[in-house]
Amino acid sequence: NAGVTQTPKFQVLKTGQSMTLQCAQDMNHEYMSWYRQDPGMGLRLIHYSVGAGITDQGEVPNGYNVSRSTTEDFPLRLLSAAPSQTSVYFCASRKIRDFNEKLFFGSGTQLSVL
Amino acid sequence: QQQVKQSPQSLIVQKGGISIINCAYENTAFDYFPWYQQFPGKGPALLIAIRPDVSEKKEGRFTISFNKSAKQFSLHIMDSQPGDSATYFCAAPHDYKLSFGAGTTVTVRA
Repeated sequence: NAGVTQTPKFQVLKTGQSMTLQCAQDMNHEYMSWYRQDPGMGLRLIHYSVGAGITDQGEVPNGYNVSRSTTEDFPLRLLSAAPSQTSVYFCASRKIRDFNEKLFFGSGTQLSVL
Repeated sequence: QQQVKQSPQSLIVQKGGISIINCAYENTAFDYFPWYQQFPGKGPALLIAIRPDVSEKKEGRFTISFNKSAKQFSLHIMDSQPGDSATYFCAAPHDYKLSFGAGTTVTVRA
């Protein structure tokens, strides 16, 4: 049982490049989400999904796209990277019926946009 | 905007001392207030959570105090140890989402 797996752990992009951050969970969780962590800003929700085929925006969705074709996977796409997207990104999941149960976080992806 | 205000941003405490972190939240229809702990290079992990049908919850050296009328809750770390050095986040639910505070970096000096 691997939990929530994020890849890559580190990534450097040039402004304007695109990339996809991968997230997979093996706990059959319906709810999956992406957060970014910046100093002094805490964890801010980018996008979330309550099941395959269903996604919605969080606090800071601009510049990011998501899709959810399977229960297990929830990739985050940066279409045209900007220096403001330099951050640490975390994927998290939980059971949807138990919204007040704990979120399981991945180990994060550190992204630098030059 | 963040629905949860957390303070202080950082604190330093001597080994054996008490660390106190405070959070204030806006209106929420859900009664569940967790604290997450994050060590450097790791993802956050649930530390302790409270439902406001009680005013206090204790797990080992960690205690949450809750004041529903003031919309505030706090984390107390008793007998702080160097291994407690981490960043702590409070959170409050909003719809299916969890809004986090800005985080408090706790440093426990031996």
